Amino acid sequence: GPKVLQIPSHQIIDMGQMVTLNCDPVSNHLYFYWYKQILGQQMEFLVNFYNGKVMEKSKLFKDQFSVERPDGSYFTLKIQPTALEDSAVYFCASSPYGRGGTGQLYFGEGSKLTVL
Amino acid sequence: AQKVTQTQTSISVMEKTTVTMDCVYETRDSSYFLFWYKQTASGEIVFLIRQDSYKKENATEGHYSLNFQKPKSSIGLIITATQIEDSAVYFCAMREGSNTNKVVFGTGTRLQVLP
Repeated sequence: GPKVLQIPSHQIIDMGQMVTLNCDPVSNHLYFYWYKQILGQQMEFLVNFYNGKVMEKSKLFKDQFSVERPDGSYFTLKIQPTALEDSAVYFCASSPYGRGGTGQLYFGEGSKLTVL
Repeated sequence: AQKVTQTQTSISVMEKTTVTMDCVYETRDSSYFLFWYKQTASGEIVFLIRQDSYKKENATEGHYSLNFQKPKSSIGLIITATQIEDSAVYFCAMREGSNTNKVVFGTGTRLQVLP
């Protein structure tokens, strides 16, 4: 089936540094998402993105977080500066539908972030 | 606000039996979409099955089916003839139909299928 690619699969950084997580969505998909998962538990919604804009975000999407997809390249999640509580697995997802679609998501394999 | 609740944290069943996983949801919307996803031990998350709120028939997909009880805001996942490889964490999720593309997940149910 359609694949979402995430780079890197694992990153270890020191607290206070910047990190960028990259996502290559399925090519004809319109909506992009980031989710945060800690210790294999609940998938927490962070943000969704459509037509170059953040559409919705949760309380977990702190001011230190930002997303963009410049010129149809990677959809990125940037955290600057990082904090210890940002350690988690971050999943990117994409959906082929815009508003009015079902919202069925296709997930990447996750980027594990460890903040020391 | 939309909310999804899975009260079963862990279930163990014998291979080749049938298992039901529970999920209840909260929404003020009259139109919404309900999903089940599976997360394998490797972390991969795979879409399994979807129920559209306006459809009365329970969705089925291979050995997965849903028990949609709209008056109870309930969407159970039924797996028949379970196999060892069905062992995974199963997430229920919902997207409200109007003015949002946010998909909210439950806390997951870990299924262990024993030989």
